[in-house]
Amino acid sequence: NAGVTQTPKFQVLKTGQSMTLQCAQDMNHEYMSWYRQDPGMGLRLIHYSVGAGITDQGEVPNGYNVSRSTTEDFPLRLLSAAPSQTSVYFCASRFGNTIYFGEGSWLTVV
Amino acid sequence: SQQGEEDPQALSIQEGENATMNCSYKTSINNLQWYRQNSGRGLVHLILIRSNEREKHSGRLRVTLDTSKKSSSLLITASRAADTASYFCATVHMDSNYQLIWGAGTKLIIKP
Repeated sequence: NAGVTQTPKFQVLKTGQSMTLQCAQDMNHEYMSWYRQDPGMGLRLIHYSVGAGITDQGEVPNGYNVSRSTTEDFPLRLLSAAPSQTSVYFCASRFGNTIYFGEGSWLTVV
Repeated sequence: SQQGEEDPQALSIQEGENATMNCSYKTSINNLQWYRQNSGRGLVHLILIRSNEREKHSGRLRVTLDTSKKSSSLLITASRAADTASYFCATVHMDSNYQLIWGAGTKLIIKP
């Protein structure tokens, strides 16, 4: 099993550009989520999904969209990138009480 | 925000010594979890302790939970260089739709 796979690993965007962070899991987990991690802060939940066709907002959803057309995939879209979205993004799936994380995507918005 | 707090923010010890880090939270929990994050990597689940448990062990890890003080501690015994990482606590609260609330982490450095 590959677990949770997210791409790209690194990305530099210009302010106003849009992009999609891809996330896929092969563990057949219903629950998936996106977090951002900023220095000195804990992980903050952006969006989550409890199953295909169902998404919901987390703590910091503004500027981000998600969709969940399949159990496996949960892409995160930045609609119009802003410097405040410079961060490390983690996709995760959850089974029971345990969260399984991807390796992270480092995004810089200039 | 219900974000938990961890202390210390950073800890540097000699290899072989024990490392203790603490986590405090604000509202009643269902369970509390500890995760490790190596530099440049994703977080990895270490151990979960439920609200009705007081202590749990896993290898060199010992976690305690004091619900009256709303705090937990993670003890790593006989530390190794490979334990160098950031450690995060996450709490699951019944009144937050069972979402995890994360602390800011403790950065642990083990000196050889």
